[in-house]
Amino acid sequence: GAGVSQSPRYKVAKRGQDVALRCDPISGHVSLFWYQQALGQGPEFLTYFQNEAQLDKSGLPSDRFFAERPEGSVSTLKIQRTQQEDSAVYLCASSLGGTSGFYNEQFFGPGTRLTVL
Amino acid sequence: AQRVTQPEKLLSVFKGAPVELKCNYSYSGSPELFWYVQYSRQRLQLLLRHISRESIKGFTADLNKGETSFHLKKPFAQEEDSAMYYCALLPSGHNDMRFGAGTRLTVKP
Repeated sequence: GAGVSQSPRYKVAKRGQDVALRCDPISGHVSLFWYQQALGQGPEFLTYFQNEAQLDKSGLPSDRFFAERPEGSVSTLKIQRTQQEDSAVYLCASSLGGTSGFYNEQFFGPGTRLTVL
Repeated sequence: AQRVTQPEKLLSVFKGAPVELKCNYSYSGSPELFWYVQYSRQRLQLLLRHISRESIKGFTADLNKGETSFHLKKPFAQEEDSAMYYCALLPSGHNDMRFGAGTRLTVKP
């Protein structure tokens, strides 16, 4: 079966533009995560959904970042008025169950590389 | 605050040599710890987790709560082990997994 997919794979935006990044999790996966990975760093947690509920958005760096998962499957991460410091790879991951227990293995997508000029 | 430290950005060993990738963490509770691996041009994937106490591709990792470490070890490295390795911590009852900065392992022939 297909794994987690993300689109677009690459995005170049001019400073100040709004961008939308899409994540298609593995079918039936309850949990969905977004991470931001800056060059030379590990992924940093942004937000977590359980089905359509956004249970944790503690990692979103500013109110310019917004994520949604309205029907509990596809998720979109939106960044408004992009800044150069938003340049990073944005990773999406999904897991079958909640965040604890045996079914919490997170499966990652290929990422979207965002470059803000 | 929870933190994961991987002190080596780069690690190079010869094929057949033992390898140890270091991971130290700071967390006052009982975390879940993981090793993720990213091979060239592939996506990040789980290698192993401490609760499973398993060996994957010859790698093992033991949680040492006294030293707050979760080092990844393999007795005989193979060229196909060359990859980026990330140690990660999931605080108990939380959703925000914390990753280290990663160690790039190169296994030379």
